[in-house]
Amino acid sequence: AQRVTQPEKLLSVFKGAPVELKCNYSYSGSPELFWYVQYSRQRLQLLLRHISRESIKGFTADLNKGETSFHLKKPFAQEEDSAMYYCALNIRAQKLVFGQGTRLTINP
Amino acid sequence: GAGVSQSPSNKVTEKGKDVELRCDPISGHTALYWYRQRLGQGLEFLIYFQGNSAPDKSGLPSDRFSAERTGESVSTLTIQRTQQEDSAVYLCASSLRRDRANVLTFGAGSRLTVL
Repeated sequence: AQRVTQPEKLLSVFKGAPVELKCNYSYSGSPELFWYVQYSRQRLQLLLRHISRESIKGFTADLNKGETSFHLKKPFAQEEDSAMYYCALNIRAQKLVFGQGTRLTINP
Repeated sequence: GAGVSQSPSNKVTEKGKDVELRCDPISGHTALYWYRQRLGQGLEFLIYFQGNSAPDKSGLPSDRFSAERTGESVSTLTIQRTQQEDSAVYLCASSLRRDRANVLTFGAGSRLTVL
């Protein structure tokens, strides 16, 4: 079955500390993965996608097909990174399936 | 419009009543999605429209839920005989391309409360 798993519902780190939000997927096809973010009182929006191999707001994510993972990382967390983060899998280039989300809190 | 518009932003209804939620996607976006977000839960896929193709209704939780889309414009999600477990934020999103660059633009959501 096609599935996205984010094992941590809540994650709290101190400002300046490294952050890693975990995402694992289950998919028989070639995976296309995304991270979406929802800041407080804002709409859900795209953060980054694996095909672009980009770094956005200091965040990166590497697709590891062997471990079926797409973890989101940032070396030094900032207070403005506090938000809800969703990992998403594109099914057959059509339907986007989301994980349960991780609420990240950056403590000052 | 500049973004995805959803209405109403908030709806409170009594159990057993029907509700209609509306989504106005970005002009030119051929794909339209509905998701449900219950309190403390993730995003649950409901239905997907792509151009004139048959919609993917695989996520609709029961036959009380239905959705329509006229061409590549407005979509309406209807919930009949609402139940308390239907309380959630209903999110609509649209996408320009049906391919690897499937980036979704989300609306602000319609918060439904069933008493």
